[in-house]
Amino acid sequence: GQNIDQPTEMTATEGAIVQINCTYQTSGFNGLFWYQQHAGEAPTFLSYNVLDGLEEKGRFSSFLSRSKGYSYLLLKELQMKDSASYLCAALDSNYQLIWGAGTKLIIKP
Amino acid sequence: ETGVTQTPRHLVMGMTNKKSLKCEQHLGHNAMYWYKQSAKKPLELMFVYNFKEQTENNSVPSRFSPECPNSSHLFLHLHTLQPEDSALYLCASSQDSQGDYNEQFFGPGTRLTVL
Repeated sequence: GQNIDQPTEMTATEGAIVQINCTYQTSGFNGLFWYQQHAGEAPTFLSYNVLDGLEEKGRFSSFLSRSKGYSYLLLKELQMKDSASYLCAALDSNYQLIWGAGTKLIIKP
Repeated sequence: ETGVTQTPRHLVMGMTNKKSLKCEQHLGHNAMYWYKQSAKKPLELMFVYNFKEQTENNSVPSRFSPECPNSSHLFLHLHTLQPEDSALYLCASSQDSQGDYNEQFFGPGTRLTVL
């Protein structure tokens, strides 16, 4: 079956760095997405990786290893507003997104 | 209005009621989606429409009935729901439903409570 695994919850300190991991098993693979979802709001797009390596976008970076079925989202210089759930989703061979349950990130002062 | 809008934002209904959720996208996209989001569970894809044609129905019970009159509007008609159907219902759109880089834009969701 198809599956996405990511930690349920993580805690980090304001100003620090946090890495949220995601492993995936899908029927075929056409890329991996990260979305951010604040409580009570819509998920918003953060990043898309289809090739191996690191994509950097300001304070956020996303990494992909296709051979390992693994991705991570790296958040630097954490701010209180980064407290949210982070959703990992893999695009399978039918171009359907397979979603993880999300990682709730709690930022403490 | 910009992006993806959904109405109502909150809905409480009894098991015998009939109600409809509405989604509208102002992005010129051709694909629209309904998702169900329950606490601590992955997003569950319910229906996909591409160019107004339904291309995906993930074994959704018939008490949920989608309607897509044009590429900008999507409805979810609800009848005789069960308490376990209580969840956040999210609408999303994308350029189309095929292709790799296919970012989905989400609406704010309708928080549904079934009594």
